[in-house]
Amino acid sequence: SQQGEEDPQALSIQEGENATMNCSYKTSINNLQWYRQNSGRGLVHLILIRSNEREKHSGRLRVTLDTSKKSSSLLITASRAADTASYFCATDEDSGYSTLTFGKGTMLLVSP
Amino acid sequence: DADVTQTPRNRITKTGKRIMLECSQTKGHDRMYWYRQDPGLGLRLIYYSFDVKDINKGEISDGYSVSRQAQAKFSLSLESAIPNQTALYFCATSDYKALDGYTFGSGTRLTVV
Repeated sequence: SQQGEEDPQALSIQEGENATMNCSYKTSINNLQWYRQNSGRGLVHLILIRSNEREKHSGRLRVTLDTSKKSSSLLITASRAADTASYFCATDEDSGYSTLTFGKGTMLLVSP
Repeated sequence: DADVTQTPRNRITKTGKRIMLECSQTKGHDRMYWYRQDPGLGLRLIYYSFDVKDINKGEISDGYSVSRQAQAKFSLSLESAIPNQTALYFCATSDYKALDGYTFGSGTRLTVV
């Protein structure tokens, strides 16, 4: 069954605006990861945040993690048309380093 | 060359046929995975292998089998394809802790008619 659930399912913004996507999960985790998928292509790893971290940055990406609420958010600042893609969160459950469980994704459309 | 190569990229097959999807990786990782993606359902794990002698069922293994021929090769078979196995299939690889994430192939789009 799905561990992470992204919200919203779809998001449409203008270039230059910020995009925020949320992920909720159900069990304790070792870490949470975010991936991007361009239409029909393979997923690309963006960023990982460990369970003992609360915030992490990478370029225009900012990820937060609230383990008490079992939720994470991905913020993309100053969005570009090239950011148009689906974004997935994935969790590594706190039972040893096993497999990642992916959410259903948020589809982001950035219009010029 | 891509780190993870999947063949074929696209395949149309008939109901009842056996089909094999192949995956090879050049990352030198021990761990390999097969996922299936359906619209609105995200990615679901079919099988995974933590080393050449280790094969494990995932969430949706019924109707599928796998073979780990070498550290670099992990193939997925549909024993008798059915239309609801029409989907996008991804192979991925990682090291033990996957702290750099999974590396995915470009996918195989399979249509069963």
